[in-house]
Amino acid sequence: KQEVTQIPAALSVPEGENLVLNCSFTDSAIYNLQWFRQDPGKGLTSLLLIQSSQREQTSGRLNASLDKSSGRSTLYIAASQPGDSATYLCAVPNTGNQFYFGTGTSLTVIP
Amino acid sequence: DAGVTQSPTHLIKTRGQQVTLRCSPKSGHDTVSWYQQALGQGPQFIFQYYEEEERQRGNFPDRFSGHQFPNYSSELNVNALLLGDSALYLCASSFPGASSYNEQFFGPGTRLTVL
Repeated sequence: KQEVTQIPAALSVPEGENLVLNCSFTDSAIYNLQWFRQDPGKGLTSLLLIQSSQREQTSGRLNASLDKSSGRSTLYIAASQPGDSATYLCAVPNTGNQFYFGTGTSLTVIP
Repeated sequence: DAGVTQSPTHLIKTRGQQVTLRCSPKSGHDTVSWYQQALGQGPQFIFQYYEEEERQRGNFPDRFSGHQFPNYSSELNVNALLLGDSALYLCASSFPGASSYNEQFFGPGTRLTVL
């Protein structure tokens, strides 16, 4: 069974700082990895999808990397803003269409 | 283009009751997955529907059942509710062809409280 871990569980940074969120998975035979944002009590918003053949994906101030062999992905957020405050989740599918999520990193950006 | 929609937004039930949650996928999507998210946890996969059939199921008891309609919308039914079923229930849809390689799009969720 795939196990997904996210470190740190919580992070508090001053506005303007660059930061890195980490996601690790135990089974490297993945098809893709998806990063999501979740505001309190709300649904998930897709941020980035990295296919297994890719090493990086970028969207605005966000950059996600994937290293399948080591079972790791990172989400880099540049020049953080208070509006970035949310919980960030990563998810990977197995061969049977079941997606496994980490428990998330709760980010607070202090103005 | 409407995204994934879910109804109702909130629901309060008592133990032993039954509940039905509804999901309409994003336009053009034919695959619907359901997740349960307890407070402070990541979403847990319940099951996925494709072509009106359950294609994959997570580690949930038979009290959890579902259905997909010809228009690709879906229902999640939970029987004999327990206090532990209180959670945010999320629906996700993905593109036609419905491989596991496709990006998932989530709805806003239904908050179920069991008293």
